[in-house]
Amino acid sequence: SQKIEQNSEALNIQEGKTATLTCNYTNYSPAYLQWYRQDPGRGPVFLLLIRENEKEKRKERLKVTFDTTLKQSLFHITASQPADSATYLCALGGVASGAGSYQLTFGKGTKLSVIP
Amino acid sequence: DGGITQSPKYLFRKEGQNVTLSCEQNLNHDAMYWYRQDPGQGLRLIYYSQIVNDFQKGDIAEGYSVSREKKESFPLTVTSAQKNPTAFYLCASSIFDIQPLHFGNGTRLTVT
Repeated sequence: SQKIEQNSEALNIQEGKTATLTCNYTNYSPAYLQWYRQDPGRGPVFLLLIRENEKEKRKERLKVTFDTTLKQSLFHITASQPADSATYLCALGGVASGAGSYQLTFGKGTKLSVIP
Repeated sequence: DGGITQSPKYLFRKEGQNVTLSCEQNLNHDAMYWYRQDPGQGLRLIYYSQIVNDFQKGDIAEGYSVSREKKESFPLTVTSAQKNPTAFYLCASSIFDIQPLHFGNGTRLTVT
């Protein structure tokens, strides 16, 4: 069955450093991958989308890589700030078997804490 | 401002009662979705709708029902048949397949 793993439930990092979050998957051939940020008691907010034929995407201090050979995506936040503290979710998109339309499957998330 | 409104934010019900969660969007999106989030688990898809008057079951549809009579609205009913209804419910919408999801801020349902 499809499986998505985000490297750890929680990650603590010092302010100013680069935070790197990992999303690994098995038994899946995603057409694209998305990253979301979720604050406590709130809905996820979309950050970045990367397609299977793209290696890297950047947006301000954020960078996402997508390696379909390793079946892995890395999400980087450079010059991290306490305001970056949140849970980050990866989501893989592809046509689900029998569905006929694109479906998103979410990982459990990594809770990032940036320590001042 | 465009967005998705879920109401209420907190909902309490007795076991055996059906309850309906509201989801309204003014983004003019065709597709709408309902997800359930439990501690330590990823978001799981309950139902989705790509067009008015049509919807499909997601991975965990048992014990839930939906309707899509208007483009803007996609209410979710949690029936008494749902064995573990206590959870955080998230509604989302998107323009079409592959595009990012826009989420509401959720309804936390507690059934005792």
